[in-house]
Amino acid sequence: DTEVTQTPKHLVMGMTNKKSLKCEQHMGHRAMYWYKQKAKKPPELMFVYSYEKLSINESVPSRFSPECPNSSLLNLHLHALQPEDSALYLCASSQEPDPSRPQHFGDGTRLSIL
Amino acid sequence: EDKVVQSPLSLVVHEGDTVTLNCSYEVTNFRSLLWYKQEKKAPTFLFMLTSSGIEKKSGRLSSILDKKELFSILNITATQTGDSAIYLCAPHNYGQNFVFGPGTRLSVLP
Repeated sequence: DTEVTQTPKHLVMGMTNKKSLKCEQHMGHRAMYWYKQKAKKPPELMFVYSYEKLSINESVPSRFSPECPNSSLLNLHLHALQPEDSALYLCASSQEPDPSRPQHFGDGTRLSIL
Repeated sequence: EDKVVQSPLSLVVHEGDTVTLNCSYEVTNFRSLLWYKQEKKAPTFLFMLTSSGIEKKSGRLSSILDKKELFSILNITATQTGDSAIYLCAPHNYGQNFVFGPGTRLSVLP
């Protein structure tokens, strides 16, 4: 078990559905991250939140919409996804809003788009 | 553009062997290099290296950085089947952006 909790663990959705991925940490970390990981590839950074504000958006399509309701929670809202969006979505947090510091990762949500 | 190369990409050894994993990088305004281990799901942090020549150790794992030659190595001695994983290196600069290397997939056979 990790200290970063992601739900759901698995998600299957159609291309017209709207769903959300959730991430929670109670370590008092001030930065949270979303990554996308395809099979046999390293994680790719999508978004960074520092002190609950979006600080990095790595040119992610608008069908992915992040939200940080408070310092412990991070959501990723999904709408009109494409089959190529099927991947493992990882959430991470770090004590300082500095990606060069160690990050704690959740176990991820495995997303399949039909 | 920043570049990260890891070698080998895949490695199969037997328990008790010693392995050396390599990470070379080209990063502008280098700040630190992190190593992670990824088994089935969450990557877990292993080491953060910021200074050349100072070895970091944790049990059977150790790592060192060479900022002049732009590489880092991760050593694992007396490997165990539980060491089977993908090992990712991630060099960082003073900006907010970074990339993970492609990873080395290590398989340790009993």
